[in-house]
Amino acid sequence: DTGVSQDPRHKITKRGQNVTFRCDPISEHNRLYWYRQTLGQGPEFLTYFQNEAQLEKSRLLSDRFSAERPKGSFSTLEIQRTEQGDSAMYLCASSPHLTSGILYEQYFGPGTRLTVT
Amino acid sequence: SQQGEEDPQALSIQEGENATMNCSYKTSINNLQWYRQNSGRGLVHLILIRSNEREKHSGRLRVTLDTSKKSSSLLITASRAADTASYFCATDRDDKIIFGKGTRLHILP
Repeated sequence: DTGVSQDPRHKITKRGQNVTFRCDPISEHNRLYWYRQTLGQGPEFLTYFQNEAQLEKSRLLSDRFSAERPKGSFSTLEIQRTEQGDSAMYLCASSPHLTSGILYEQYFGPGTRLTVT
Repeated sequence: SQQGEEDPQALSIQEGENATMNCSYKTSINNLQWYRQNSGRGLVHLILIRSNEREKHSGRLRVTLDTSKKSSSLLITASRAADTASYFCATDRDDKIIFGKGTRLHILP
């Protein structure tokens, strides 16, 4: 399977704990995106990378959230001191980026469902 | 903040009928994409239409784009039970794509 994979698929944690999610994009894709989705809503942009560089982080993302893509391949999203409001589906997507100013279709992983109790 | 807004929010039709969903957006775009999300599964890209295109087809899907009205429509012909899903339009803004809230489509047997 050469699609986008995410791990874990489900995570239940107690409020105040730290959690880390992993995303493995399609290998030849240089763009990687993180989104958050709550019930009945569309995916909400969190941050994205081009290779190992983090190009933008949503203003909605508090300092408790951090993301890395150390070698331009897999990425991790860490949430520190989780709150109940962090409960959501966290989606990762990758895409090629061949020409400046043109966005291509994104390939999504299955998501990590986080429940904070 | 969201760029695109789908209409209707929910739609139920009989199997075999056509389903039409609309998307309106606020600022100028380079392209618009439609995605589908089945219950419990990830999003799947359906079709991308660039700002200089007016219509695009892919199998039973037909997408139109009217940049003067800042709107797009997705038509699914001869609907099937497997088309039951949420459908999202996504527009580009500042080098990333922004999703709407989606239309929940339910195909009745």
